[in-house]
Amino acid sequence: DAKTTQPTSMDCAEGRAANLPCNHSTISGNEYVYWYRQIHSQGPQYIIHGLKNNETNEMASLIITEDRKSSTLILPHATLRDTAVYYCIVRVAMAGNMLTFGGGTRLMVKP
Amino acid sequence: KAGVTQTPRYLIKTRGQQVTLSCSPISGHRSVSWYQQTPGQGLQFLFEYFSETQRNKGNFPGRFSGRQFSNSRSEMNVSTLELGDSALYLCASSLVSGGISSYNEQFFGPGTRLTVL
Repeated sequence: DAKTTQPTSMDCAEGRAANLPCNHSTISGNEYVYWYRQIHSQGPQYIIHGLKNNETNEMASLIITEDRKSSTLILPHATLRDTAVYYCIVRVAMAGNMLTFGGGTRLMVKP
Repeated sequence: KAGVTQTPRYLIKTRGQQVTLSCSPISGHRSVSWYQQTPGQGLQFLFEYFSETQRNKGNFPGRFSGRQFSNSRSEMNVSTLELGDSALYLCASSLVSGGISSYNEQFFGPGTRLTVL
């Protein structure tokens, strides 16, 4: 699976959009981008995934650049409950369910 | 519906002992994966079971083993415990193994916190 690079930490004001970047410059054509988050003392939670088109669900939006070398997870109106570590994972979808977690980005949403 | 359950939630063992952790997946889910989380190494994949067969295995010594039963419940065992095995052990379940649709979404349990003294 391709390696990802994320900032170690970010702050965001409550109610504002949180934009979390992820670099995956070595991604190959059959690899998907997945985002999970882990709220303190809980197991990780799936957020969204995509291949090359932008995706949106009730939790977030995923913007993938045209060359697919980077992506951005957008939480449109961050709340205090969105404070968590966010993981960007790149993997081949058909290769089982193994997830390779990096260090992630620790997002702190402040009032 | 009920989420992924893991038992026990907390466990204290001493070096050299062995331990068995249990995971009950969401009803209907056939894939169970196990992860170890430590402050130093982060979240690391241990192994995945699908329909009672190990499908993937992470880079862990043979002291770490697992199995899955016909009802999809899974257990992992760690023998000859070492201090470095102290960690949060997480289990995740999903409907199938692999795939590109949302059916591949993995649901994590709350974890078992193992302390080795």
